[in-house]
Amino acid sequence: EPEVTQTPSHQVTQMGQEVILRCVPISNHLYFYWYRQILGQKVEFLVSFYNNEISEKSEIFDDQFSVERPDGSNFTLKIRSTKLEDSAMYFCASSDSGAQLRIGTFGSGTRLTVV
Amino acid sequence: QKEVEQNSGPLSVPEGAIASLNCTYSDRVSQSFFWYRQYSGKSPELIMSIYSNGDKEDGRFTAQLNKASQYVSLLIRDSQPSDSATYLCAVMSGGTSYGKLTFGQGTILTVHP
Repeated sequence: EPEVTQTPSHQVTQMGQEVILRCVPISNHLYFYWYRQILGQKVEFLVSFYNNEISEKSEIFDDQFSVERPDGSNFTLKIRSTKLEDSAMYFCASSDSGAQLRIGTFGSGTRLTVV
Repeated sequence: QKEVEQNSGPLSVPEGAIASLNCTYSDRVSQSFFWYRQYSGKSPELIMSIYSNGDKEDGRFTAQLNKASQYVSLLIRDSQPSDSATYLCAVMSGGTSYGKLTFGQGTILTVHP
């Protein structure tokens, strides 16, 4: 079963520091996403990425956030200057180019703790 | 603001019973509907997708969609203790919102032996 791989599983960082969360999507998928879930809250959409550019982003995805596909396999989320409220579980996902772009697989997540 | 609402529960059912989970959504142009299961501390796992009105069955799971009422439900037959988890309803709009899911807050299901 193909899977989405995320690293690290847990990252602790000081407020104001930059973090990069890494993801390896499923190899034949073309659409990539980041979602986050603050503890006890809903899963929230951050950004979708297709053809090397952002397709859509949410209000959460402000100038502190950026995404990149630096090579043919990795997909990264960078937070430039972390805030306490960025503490959450971050999930990467990917989907293929079928008519109904269902997200069948989320990565196992990176738990980001900002102290 | 597109909203997806679920009863937060917790919903407790005995082993072998039918668990019924409900979800309503506000965006009338929504086209795709999903149920995910999430165990504590884990990522969401897709268990059902439904795109047209009516019922869709997959093993012990049945999803029901009523677009006129903006309502989607999930039935779990012969519930097992391993089904105990949080069930997330998620909705995808059409158009250019490819892959943008709006999630409900989840319903906690407990199946007791």
